[in-house]
Amino acid sequence: GALVYQYPRRTICKSGTSMRMECQAVGFQATSVAWYRQSPQKTFELIALSTVNSAIKYEQNFTQEKFPISHPNLSFSSMTVLNAYLEDRGLYLCGAREGDDEQYFGPGTRLTVL
Amino acid sequence: GEKVEQHESTLSVREGDSAVINCTYTDTASSYFPWYKQEAGKSLHFVIDIRSNVDRKQSQRLTVLLDKKAKRFSLHITATQPEDSAIYFCAAKTGGYKVVFGSGTRLLVSP
Repeated sequence: GALVYQYPRRTICKSGTSMRMECQAVGFQATSVAWYRQSPQKTFELIALSTVNSAIKYEQNFTQEKFPISHPNLSFSSMTVLNAYLEDRGLYLCGAREGDDEQYFGPGTRLTVL
Repeated sequence: GEKVEQHESTLSVREGDSAVINCTYTDTASSYFPWYKQEAGKSLHFVIDIRSNVDRKQSQRLTVLLDKKAKRFSLHITATQPEDSAIYFCAAKTGGYKVVFGSGTRLLVSP
């Protein structure tokens, strides 16, 4: 079956430092990967969408300079939170899909910023 | 762009009763409407979905209704159980790859 893994599952970083999170699709080809953030007590906001053979598209309020994303092949994507501050804390979800099929979500990376 | 509104922020029902969660969307081009469940401290789990070529889909105790004219869709849970307690998110996707989530409904099923 189709599975999406994310690691680390939890991470703590000091304010002003950066942390990288990874997403791996197993059992299907991740032609598109979406990264979401759920801040405390809020819904899931789309950060950016990466589609094979297209430029990575960032949503308003999110930039490549702050959240650089790599999607080098059809099974892997990574995102870094640069210069993390308190407002960056939350659950970061990776959602991957093949073509127009159902989007599969990973378990998320929970980021705590001290 | 697409906006999804989830009307009930919390919903409390007694075990065995039915629960209904309602959502509306703005983009007439949206064609896929998934529902997800998030238990306390955990990630999202897919629950059920509906595509715009049908107006009803049922899976065991879950039914999704879609009213394209009103741009409204709803999740109906029958014979609720305490383990149904969670936050439920509706979402909508247009022809592209972007999925927009509602704000979530906290469902509490009391014994």
